[in-house]
Amino acid sequence: KNEVEQSPQNLTAQEGEFITINCSYSVGISALHWLQQHPGGGIVSLFMLSSGKKKHGRLIATINIQEKHSSLHITASHPRDSAVYICADRNTGNQFYFGTGTSLTVIP
Amino acid sequence: EAGVAQSPRYKIIEKRQSVAFWCNPISGHATLYWYQQILGQGPKLLIQFQNNGVVDDSQLPKDRFSAERLKGVDSTLKIQPAKLEDSAVYLCASSASPSSYEQYFGPGTRLTVT
Repeated sequence: KNEVEQSPQNLTAQEGEFITINCSYSVGISALHWLQQHPGGGIVSLFMLSSGKKKHGRLIATINIQEKHSSLHITASHPRDSAVYICADRNTGNQFYFGTGTSLTVIP
Repeated sequence: EAGVAQSPRYKIIEKRQSVAFWCNPISGHATLYWYQQILGQGPKLLIQFQNNGVVDDSQLPKDRFSAERLKGVDSTLKIQPAKLEDSAVYLCASSASPSSYEQYFGPGTRLTVT
Protein backbone atom coordinates (compact mmCIF):
# COMPACT_ATOMS: atom_id res chain seq x y z
CA LYS A 1 0.00 0.00 0.00
CA ASN A 2 1.37 3.41 -0.94
CA GLU A 3 1.43 5.88 1.92
CA VAL A 4 2.40 9.52 1.74
CA GLU A 5 3.16 11.28 5.01
CA GLN A 6 3.80 14.95 5.52
CA SER A 7 5.20 16.88 8.43
CA PRO A 8 4.43 19.08 10.13
CA GLN A 9 0.64 19.05 9.81
CA ASN A 10 0.42 22.69 10.87
CA LEU A 11 3.05 25.38 10.75
CA THR A 12 3.01 29.00 11.85
CA ALA A 13 5.89 31.25 10.90
CA GLN A 14 6.83 34.89 11.12
CA GLU A 15 7.19 36.78 7.88
CA GLY A 16 10.70 36.39 6.53
CA GLU A 17 11.38 32.99 8.08
CA PHE A 18 12.79 30.04 6.15
CA ILE A 19 10.22 27.24 6.01
CA THR A 20 10.65 23.53 5.40
CA ILE A 21 7.86 21.02 4.79
CA ASN A 22 8.72 17.34 4.60
CA CYS A 23 7.19 14.46 2.67
CA SER A 24 7.92 10.75 2.92
CA TYR A 25 6.49 8.03 0.71
CA SER A 26 6.56 4.30 0.94
CA VAL A 27 6.81 2.83 -2.56
CA GLY A 28 8.80 3.49 -5.71
CA ILE A 29 7.56 6.43 -7.71
CA SER A 30 7.89 7.87 -11.17
CA ALA A 31 7.33 11.44 -9.99
CA LEU A 32 6.58 13.46 -6.88
CA HIS A 33 4.41 16.58 -6.95
CA TRP A 34 4.09 19.53 -4.65
CA LEU A 35 0.76 21.33 -4.77
CA GLN A 36 -0.55 24.49 -3.14
CA GLN A 37 -4.16 24.75 -2.03
CA HIS A 38 -5.61 28.09 -1.04
CA PRO A 39 -8.72 28.58 1.11
CA GLY A 40 -11.73 27.95 -1.11
CA GLY A 41 -10.20 24.83 -2.58
CA GLY A 42 -8.19 25.96 -5.62
CA ILE A 43 -5.17 23.73 -6.18
CA VAL A 44 -2.10 24.82 -8.08
CA SER A 45 0.74 22.56 -9.10
CA LEU A 46 4.09 23.93 -7.86
CA PHE A 47 6.65 21.30 -8.79
CA MET A 48 7.05 17.90 -10.32
CA LEU A 49 10.25 16.08 -9.33
CA SER A 50 11.77 12.79 -10.27
CA SER A 51 15.27 13.57 -9.00
CA GLY A 52 17.45 16.30 -7.57
CA LYS A 53 16.24 19.82 -6.94
CA LYS A 54 14.05 22.46 -8.56
CA LYS A 55 13.72 26.16 -7.80
CA HIS A 56 11.01 28.62 -8.70
CA GLY A 57 11.25 32.06 -7.17
CA ARG A 58 11.35 31.65 -3.40
CA LEU A 59 10.30 28.01 -3.55
CA ILE A 60 12.77 25.13 -3.65
CA ALA A 61 11.87 21.45 -3.86
CA THR A 62 14.29 18.58 -3.34
CA ILE A 63 13.94 14.84 -3.53
CA ASN A 64 16.07 11.93 -2.32
CA ILE A 65 14.93 8.85 -4.20
CA GLN A 66 16.98 6.42 -2.09
CA GLU A 67 15.47 7.73 1.14
CA LYS A 68 11.98 8.19 -0.37
CA HIS A 69 11.86 11.72 0.97
CA SER A 70 11.16 15.16 -0.43
CA SER A 71 11.23 18.63 1.05
CA LEU A 72 9.64 21.91 0.06
CA HIS A 73 11.44 25.04 1.22
CA ILE A 74 10.15 28.59 1.19
CA THR A 75 12.71 31.34 1.61
CA ALA A 76 11.80 34.79 2.95
CA SER A 77 8.24 33.68 3.70
CA HIS A 78 5.38 36.10 3.17
CA PRO A 79 1.76 36.15 4.39
CA ARG A 80 0.58 35.40 0.85
CA ASP A 81 2.38 32.04 1.16
CA SER A 82 -0.28 31.01 3.70
CA ALA A 83 -1.96 27.95 2.23
CA VAL A 84 -2.07 24.18 2.49
CA TYR A 85 0.88 22.47 0.80
CA ILE A 86 0.22 18.96 -0.43
CA CYS A 87 2.71 16.35 -1.48
CA ALA A 88 1.55 13.74 -3.98
CA ASP A 89 3.42 10.86 -5.48
CA ARG A 90 2.77 9.16 -8.76
CA ASN A 91 3.71 5.52 -8.86
CA THR A 92 4.92 3.58 -11.86
CA GLY A 93 1.26 2.75 -12.64
CA ASN A 94 0.52 6.50 -12.98
CA GLN A 95 -1.67 6.45 -9.87
CA PHE A 96 -1.58 9.52 -7.65
CA TYR A 97 -1.50 9.33 -3.86
CA PHE A 98 -1.83 12.51 -1.84
CA GLY A 99 -0.57 13.41 1.60
CA THR A 100 -2.90 15.07 4.08
CA GLY A 101 -1.26 18.43 3.60
CA THR A 102 0.63 20.95 5.72
CA SER A 103 -1.31 24.03 6.70
CA LEU A 104 1.04 27.03 6.67
CA THR A 105 0.22 30.38 8.24
CA VAL A 106 2.71 33.21 7.83
CA ILE A 107 2.17 36.06 10.27
CA PRO A 108 3.15 39.60 9.27
CA GLU B 1 -6.59 29.40 -21.87
CA ALA B 2 -9.73 28.53 -19.93
CA GLY B 3 -9.20 26.36 -16.87
CA VAL B 4 -11.13 23.38 -15.59
CA ALA B 5 -14.73 24.34 -14.90
CA GLN B 6 -16.94 22.73 -12.30
CA SER B 7 -20.51 23.26 -11.21
CA PRO B 8 -22.17 23.76 -8.90
CA ARG B 9 -19.67 25.33 -6.53
CA TYR B 10 -21.72 24.49 -3.48
CA LYS B 11 -24.49 21.99 -2.80
CA ILE B 12 -26.41 21.13 0.34
CA ILE B 13 -28.63 18.05 0.34
CA GLU B 14 -30.24 15.73 2.84
CA LYS B 15 -29.01 12.19 3.30
CA ARG B 16 -30.54 9.66 0.91
CA GLN B 17 -31.00 12.34 -1.75
CA SER B 18 -29.18 12.27 -5.07
CA VAL B 19 -26.71 14.80 -6.41
CA ALA B 20 -24.71 15.29 -9.59
CA PHE B 21 -21.57 17.29 -10.29
CA TRP B 22 -20.35 18.48 -13.65
CA CYS B 23 -16.82 19.03 -14.93
CA ASN B 24 -15.54 20.55 -18.15
CA PRO B 25 -11.79 19.92 -18.55
CA ILE B 26 -9.26 22.04 -20.38
CA SER B 27 -9.79 21.78 -24.11
CA GLY B 28 -7.82 18.93 -25.63
CA HIS B 29 -7.03 17.23 -22.33
CA ALA B 30 -7.60 13.52 -22.74
CA THR B 31 -7.29 12.54 -19.08
CA LEU B 32 -9.84 13.55 -16.46
CA TYR B 33 -9.78 12.83 -12.74
CA TRP B 34 -12.39 13.08 -9.99
CA TYR B 35 -11.10 13.43 -6.43
CA GLN B 36 -12.85 13.49 -3.08
CA GLN B 37 -11.29 15.72 -0.42
CA ILE B 38 -12.68 15.36 3.07
CA LEU B 39 -11.93 18.24 5.42
CA GLY B 40 -8.44 17.92 6.87
CA GLN B 41 -7.36 15.24 4.41
CA GLY B 42 -5.60 15.19 1.08
CA PRO B 43 -7.54 14.48 -2.12
CA LYS B 44 -8.41 10.86 -2.81
CA LEU B 45 -8.74 9.68 -6.40
CA LEU B 46 -12.21 8.38 -7.15
CA ILE B 47 -11.98 7.75 -10.87
CA GLN B 48 -9.66 8.45 -13.80
CA PHE B 49 -10.82 8.63 -17.43
CA GLN B 50 -8.73 8.44 -20.55
CA ASN B 51 -10.98 9.97 -23.22
CA ASN B 52 -14.30 8.24 -22.50
CA GLY B 53 -12.81 5.06 -21.02
CA VAL B 54 -12.21 4.33 -17.33
CA VAL B 55 -8.53 3.85 -16.42
CA ASP B 56 -8.88 3.49 -12.64
CA ASP B 57 -12.01 3.39 -10.48
CA SER B 58 -10.65 1.16 -7.72
CA GLN B 59 -11.52 3.66 -4.97
CA LEU B 60 -14.96 4.61 -6.26
CA PRO B 61 -17.76 3.36 -3.96
CA LYS B 62 -19.69 1.83 -6.82
CA ASP B 63 -22.77 1.03 -4.76
CA ARG B 64 -23.61 4.73 -4.61
CA PHE B 65 -21.18 6.63 -6.84
CA SER B 66 -21.15 6.65 -10.63
CA ALA B 67 -19.33 8.71 -13.20
CA GLU B 68 -19.38 9.03 -16.94
CA ARG B 69 -17.58 10.87 -19.69
CA LEU B 70 -19.66 9.96 -22.70
CA LYS B 71 -18.04 12.02 -25.46
CA GLY B 72 -14.58 12.15 -23.96
CA VAL B 73 -14.97 15.79 -22.91
CA ASP B 74 -17.36 16.76 -20.10
CA SER B 75 -17.89 14.45 -17.16
CA THR B 76 -20.53 14.00 -14.49
CA LEU B 77 -20.15 12.42 -11.06
CA LYS B 78 -23.30 11.23 -9.32
CA ILE B 79 -24.01 10.12 -5.78
CA GLN B 80 -27.21 8.17 -5.15
CA PRO B 81 -28.15 7.96 -2.33
CA ALA B 82 -25.92 10.35 -0.41
CA LYS B 83 -24.64 9.62 3.09
CA LEU B 84 -23.43 12.01 5.76
CA GLU B 85 -19.85 10.85 5.21
CA ASP B 86 -20.01 12.01 1.59
CA SER B 87 -19.68 15.61 2.77
CA ALA B 88 -16.50 16.77 1.10
CA VAL B 89 -15.08 18.86 -1.71
CA TYR B 90 -15.23 17.07 -5.05
CA LEU B 91 -12.35 18.13 -7.28
CA CYS B 92 -12.07 17.60 -10.99
CA ALA B 93 -8.68 17.74 -12.68
CA SER B 94 -7.45 17.19 -16.19
CA SER B 95 -4.15 16.52 -17.88
CA ALA B 96 -3.06 16.21 -21.48
CA SER B 97 -2.36 12.50 -21.08
CA PRO B 98 -2.03 9.90 -18.30
CA SER B 99 1.74 10.31 -18.31
CA SER B 100 1.59 14.09 -18.28
CA TYR B 101 3.34 15.62 -15.31
CA GLU B 102 0.87 18.45 -14.96
CA GLN B 103 -2.63 18.17 -13.55
CA TYR B 104 -4.89 21.20 -13.66
CA PHE B 105 -7.53 21.38 -10.96
CA GLY B 106 -10.96 22.93 -11.03
CA PRO B 107 -12.31 25.02 -8.13
CA GLY B 108 -14.19 22.07 -6.66
CA THR B 109 -17.75 21.48 -5.54
CA ARG B 110 -18.32 21.64 -1.80
CA LEU B 111 -21.00 19.11 -0.86
CA THR B 112 -22.70 19.17 2.52
CA VAL B 113 -24.98 16.26 3.39
CA THR B 114 -27.29 16.91 6.34
